Amino acid sequence: DQQVKQNSPSLSVQEGRISILNCDYTNSMFDYFLWYKKYPAEGPTFLISISSIKDKNEDGRFTVFLNKSAKHLSLHIVPSQPGDSAVYFCAAKAMGDDKIIFGKGTRLHILP
Amino acid sequence: KAGVTQTPRYLIKTRGQQVTLSCSPISGHRSVSWYQQTPGQGLQFLFEYFSETQRNKGNFPGRFSGRQFSNSRSEMNVSTLELGDSALYLCASRRRQETQYFGPGTRLLVL
Repeated sequence: DQQVKQNSPSLSVQEGRISILNCDYTNSMFDYFLWYKKYPAEGPTFLISISSIKDKNEDGRFTVFLNKSAKHLSLHIVPSQPGDSAVYFCAAKAMGDDKIIFGKGTRLHILP
Repeated sequence: KAGVTQTPRYLIKTRGQQVTLSCSPISGHRSVSWYQQTPGQGLQFLFEYFSETQRNKGNFPGRFSGRQFSNSRSEMNVSTLELGDSALYLCASRRRQETQYFGPGTRLLVL
């Protein structure tokens, strides 16, 4: 049973527009969420995180929104740049549990 | 500060062999986790070590094992390799906080 789901395997967005990557989770005990970005042949790089006590966290072009009632979070990238083309992983951690659960990832293509 | 390092970066083995992968965490990080990444399966958690003790374990067979040394360096061992073990193996380290920092990975090919 997959507790963190990224239902879109891939997404294409025009350069300069907004990229929205979605993530759903099933475990109501998750209280901390992270987004990682991965280029081929490299390890994932931490992007941004959000605690369940917040509904929004912003860092430059990246904003993560959390909707606890819907068990849904999203990553917004504005404006999208060519270097944003990568695989994005959503991850979650439950209260009192050190294990971090990852989704399967969404491949983002930024089109020129 | 140096990042997480993993050796070797690439490895080719044949079925039935065993392999040992190494991970050196960021200085000061005492937790090391291992993940397997295969196409379509995302990052699957193998295990986590903290202060030389396995703290968490994923749903992998006993052929996958690991250990952590007193300097926080960790090794992962896979015995009796199968074709399906071909993957990118990622190591991540962290302090006792939520954010993990990943190494570049070891790409294992089993023939």
